[in-house]
Amino acid sequence: AQRVTQPEKLLSVFKGAPVELKCNYSYSGSPELFWYVQYSRQRLQLLLRHISRESIKGFTADLNKGETSFHLKKPFAQEEDSAMYYCAQLEYGNKLVFGAGTILRVKS
Amino acid sequence: SAVISQKPSRDICQRGTSLTIQCQVDSQVTMMFWYRQQPGQSLTLIATANQGSEATYESGFVIDKFPISRPNLTFSTLTVSNMSPEDSSIYLCSAGNTTSGLRIFGPGTRLTVL
Repeated sequence: AQRVTQPEKLLSVFKGAPVELKCNYSYSGSPELFWYVQYSRQRLQLLLRHISRESIKGFTADLNKGETSFHLKKPFAQEEDSAMYYCAQLEYGNKLVFGAGTILRVKS
Repeated sequence: SAVISQKPSRDICQRGTSLTIQCQVDSQVTMMFWYRQQPGQSLTLIATANQGSEATYESGFVIDKFPISRPNLTFSTLTVSNMSPEDSSIYLCSAGNTTSGLRIFGPGTRLTVL
């Protein structure tokens, strides 16, 4: 079964510092990968998907097939970025499988 | 985009009883899913709710414990049967189309079993 690994349970940074949330996936040829975010007291929502190659709220994520990684990055963290971030991979049968999640805390 | 509502938002139940959670989408969707999110853990897919046919369950989840209905393209229910404290969790409804991993999620139902 394909799996998604997020090695960090918690990442704490200061406002203005760069952020990198790590995600590694199991090989599947042409993976479809996503980052979902859950802000405090809000429902889980899509942040970005790799095929769109867009920047959302200053975040980007590049697919690195050699390292089977899809790390989420932002050059300057803001306090409002504090949330739970989930990396997810679309598996056979249109099932979306999530990593364990990383809590991002941005300190002022 | 579509919006999902879930009822109830939370409940406290006694061991051995059953609870049915309702999921309503405000527009037609192709696929609906049920996830469980236990405290401090990730989302685990329980099953895919198929309209007009039996749900497709993931490993470790069975129909007798988690019967699912999906009578139309906008509504699904998940029943947690014969509950035990281990079933205490947040249950999330999700919806999307068949060709991508774009999903919307409900607000969740927080279940506590005593």
